[in-house]
Amino acid sequence: KAGVTQTPRYLIKTRGQQVTLSCSPISGHRSVSWYQQTPGQGLQFLFEYFSETQRNKGNFPGRFSGRQFSNSRSEMNVSTLELGDSALYLCASSLSDRPLGPAGNTIYFGEGSWLTVV
Amino acid sequence: AQSVTQLDSHVSVSEGTPVLLRCNYSSSYSPSLFWYVQHPNKGLQLLLKYTSAATLVKGINGFEAEFKKSETSFHLTKPSAHMSDAAEYFCVVTRNYGQNFVFGPGTRLSVLP
Repeated sequence: KAGVTQTPRYLIKTRGQQVTLSCSPISGHRSVSWYQQTPGQGLQFLFEYFSETQRNKGNFPGRFSGRQFSNSRSEMNVSTLELGDSALYLCASSLSDRPLGPAGNTIYFGEGSWLTVV
Repeated sequence: AQSVTQLDSHVSVSEGTPVLLRCNYSSSYSPSLFWYVQHPNKGLQLLLKYTSAATLVKGINGFEAEFKKSETSFHLTKPSAHMSDAAEYFCVVTRNYGQNFVFGPGTRLSVLP
């Protein structure tokens, strides 16, 4: 069973440009979330999607957006890139968004997309 | 609101000796707690999770963690460290649904030969 797949793995962009990152969840998984990882801020939650609907959003500016398609694949977009957006962007998937109780779901992470803004 | 404190930013042990990585949490809800490991240039791999079924949780690669509500702790242990355990370890808290995980700052584990 294939894991969570993120593309591209590495990319370099210039300040002011925009970028789109893609995430294919594990087959059958309907919930996808995105995280940003930087040395200074650590891992921070960006947003979560379930059945094409955004369920939760982290504390990031409106330049960060995302969407989920009917096949559960997700994309996130960052517009007007800033140097501080350089980070590892991680996508995670699970079968469902609730519950995470004893009979609940395991969250699986992809290997991430490394974004460098110059 | 939820938060996670990992008491050590770096832990160094010798191969074959026990590992203890400390985690304390704060949560307004009955939490779910996780430990994830991240090897260099890799994504995060789930080690184990606590979701109120049992306070002592066994994970992969010989790791286990004990949930202590009175101490709001979820420390990760392993009886004998292996060189391949060298990595970054993250303690995570979340509500009992959704994927809005709150990550601790991480503890870097070094294993000396």
